[in-house]
Amino acid sequence: QEQLQQSGPGLVKPSQTLSLTCAISGDSVSSNSAAWNWIRQSPSRGLEWLGRTYYRSKWNNDYALSVKSRILVKPDTSKNQFSLQLNSVTPEDTAVYYCARSLGYFDLWGRGTLVTVSS
Amino acid sequence: QSVLTQPPSASGTPGQRVTISCSGGSSNIGRNAVIWYQHLPGTAPKLLIYNNNQRPSGVPDRLSGSTSGTSASLAIGGLQSEDEADYYCAAWDGSLNAWLFGGGTKLTVL
Repeated sequence: QEQLQQSGPGLVKPSQTLSLTCAISGDSVSSNSAAWNWIRQSPSRGLEWLGRTYYRSKWNNDYALSVKSRILVKPDTSKNQFSLQLNSVTPEDTAVYYCARSLGYFDLWGRGTLVTVSS
Repeated sequence: QSVLTQPPSASGTPGQRVTISCSGGSSNIGRNAVIWYQHLPGTAPKLLIYNNNQRPSGVPDRLSGSTSGTSASLAIGGLQSEDEADYYCAAWDGSLNAWLFGGGTKLTVL
């Protein structure tokens, strides 16, 4: 059964790094047709796509302009998972973070992780 | 600020038909497929429409999507109380190399 399982801390201090992992079941992070995304949702910003990683003969990444200077989305083929690192977080980064697969549209989602940025 | 523009709110009474608009540009809606999601608090977004007007299995045919130029619309007919939720459009932007979401529309069933 296809499934995305998220893990990571729910509380991060300002200026530190937010790190989340998304474990994939029933598909492969190295798929030649899928891309693996991070999306967040907050009351003030709604749904916001952050970035993705995907394999098409080589690994590729795309990132939203709003976070491009401080984000890294990385695959881990040995564990069939991918991760999000968001540096220098502020309270504005408080949100529910989702991982999601895209095959032309986001068809498979993780359950979401509420991450609060607070000291 | 979202590049895809949606009205912040919409409302209707049970049984009515409501339309939610999504305005974009030539590098996103004008060139790529539009997707619509329903989002309820505490849950992952639910896919309603893909490829502008296709419904996944399980989505009732009283929901429909359409596009015209650089705009898209989601229509919900026979409004029900369970339709009360936030609705988002999304499209790939070929100039930004990024997925864009609209700002979301909160639908209230009166």
